[in-house]
Amino acid sequence: DIQMTQSPFSLSASVGDSVNITCRASQSISTYLNWYQHKPGKAPKLLIYAASSLQSGVPSKFSGSGSGTDFTLTINSLQPEDFATYYCQQSFSPLYTFGQGTKLDIK
Amino acid sequence: EVQLVESGGGLVQPGGSLRLSCAASGFLFSTHSMNWVRQAPGKGLEWLSYISGKGSTVNYADSVKGRFTISRDNGKKELYLQMNSLGDDDSAIYYCARGWFGESATPNWFGPWGQGTLVIVSS
Repeated sequence: DIQMTQSPFSLSASVGDSVNITCRASQSISTYLNWYQHKPGKAPKLLIYAASSLQSGVPSKFSGSGSGTDFTLTINSLQPEDFATYYCQQSFSPLYTFGQGTKLDIK
Repeated sequence: EVQLVESGGGLVQPGGSLRLSCAASGFLFSTHSMNWVRQAPGKGLEWLSYISGKGSTVNYADSVKGRFTISRDNGKKELYLQMNSLGDDDSAIYYCARGWFGESATPNWFGPWGQGTLVIVSS
């Protein structure tokens, strides 16, 4: 199975900051990488698909980059509603796998 | 509006069985693959199973293969997960999630997701 490793595990930031979350795959996955946002008690939400394509309705403050094994989710100008847990997910293999998650909280 | 609503969760004894359902509305159900994903307490998201739009292709994570069975009824616009031989590690919130493509498993991405149904395995 393809292992997905996110870093950092947790991240503290202030409103207005920009942050980067990284995701590394155990083998090359081309650009078959998606990012999700998950808030407690809510359904997870698709942010970015195919490494860098912004899902319809998602603010442009979210962006994704990378290919092969290394990927980055960037969130600009953090607002209170952005504090959540973020997950990467690979779909290069039909046995999909998620990263362990990065919890973003308010400093 | 696209909507997914899970049901069927609850308390079950170790070794028991449970069948989860996911009712879909607002889109052409048969043209989208579907997935089950879970989140155990204090843990991250874990993908469990995939089924293609026509139901001809299914995939399972190693953690549930041989114990869980995914299926769908396109006429009823419903997705199912039959869970057998449940253990403590299966306690989690179970989500259904729509895949973007119908018959291709790769690439794929999930959206939207349901709100989840809670399964507790305990004696």
